[in-house]
Amino acid sequence: NAGVMQNPRHLVRRRGQEARLRCSPMKGHSHVYWYRQLPEEGLKFMVYLQKENIIDESGMPKERFSAEFPKEGPSILRIQQVVRGDSAAYFCASSPLGPVEQYFGPGTRLTVT
Amino acid sequence: AQTVTQSQPEMSVQEAETVTLSCTYDTSESDYYLFWYKQPPSRQMILVIRQEAYKQQNATENRFSVNFQKAAKSFSLKISDSQLGDAAMYFCAYRSAGTSYGKLTFGQGTILTVHP
Repeated sequence: NAGVMQNPRHLVRRRGQEARLRCSPMKGHSHVYWYRQLPEEGLKFMVYLQKENIIDESGMPKERFSAEFPKEGPSILRIQQVVRGDSAAYFCASSPLGPVEQYFGPGTRLTVT
Repeated sequence: AQTVTQSQPEMSVQEAETVTLSCTYDTSESDYYLFWYKQPPSRQMILVIRQEAYKQQNATENRFSVNFQKAAKSFSLKISDSQLGDAAMYFCAYRSAGTSYGKLTFGQGTILTVHP
């Protein structure tokens, strides 16, 4: 059973461009979570999604950030008009219905130049 | 809102020795889960151990064990017989068992160095 997949692993964007981060959950997992890790800090929750639904987006910045988890395909975290402060590692985690553990992907390191 | 605090930015231990990492948390909930995650230089987040708040018995996974003190809201991780591969950043995390059960709240992390 493949683990949580994230791509790309590294992404470089210029200020003002768009960044799209992809997350494929583990097989059979219908819950996806996105976290952001700024340099030298812990992970901060951004958004929790189930298939076609956003369950909790209390950690998402109000502007420029959006997330989706369509019926088919990976979950996407989209950052529009990136700024230098968006430079961070973005982690996706998934879990099946019910159990407590979240399984993390390897992360996408976004660098904004 | 729940908060998790790790007061030790860095810790070090000699190989084969024992080290304890501290974590405290603040919550008004009675039912929740606590975790320790390890993040090696590869940045992959690896679950080390989990504790359910309703269980009085401390969780143990091989060389890793916790000291869970619910009244004191303390959740420390003990690593016995430390190995070079234990060197990593360690994060304590909290997860509600209630309606906001989705998200993990992490502490700031403790960098563990293991000396040969």
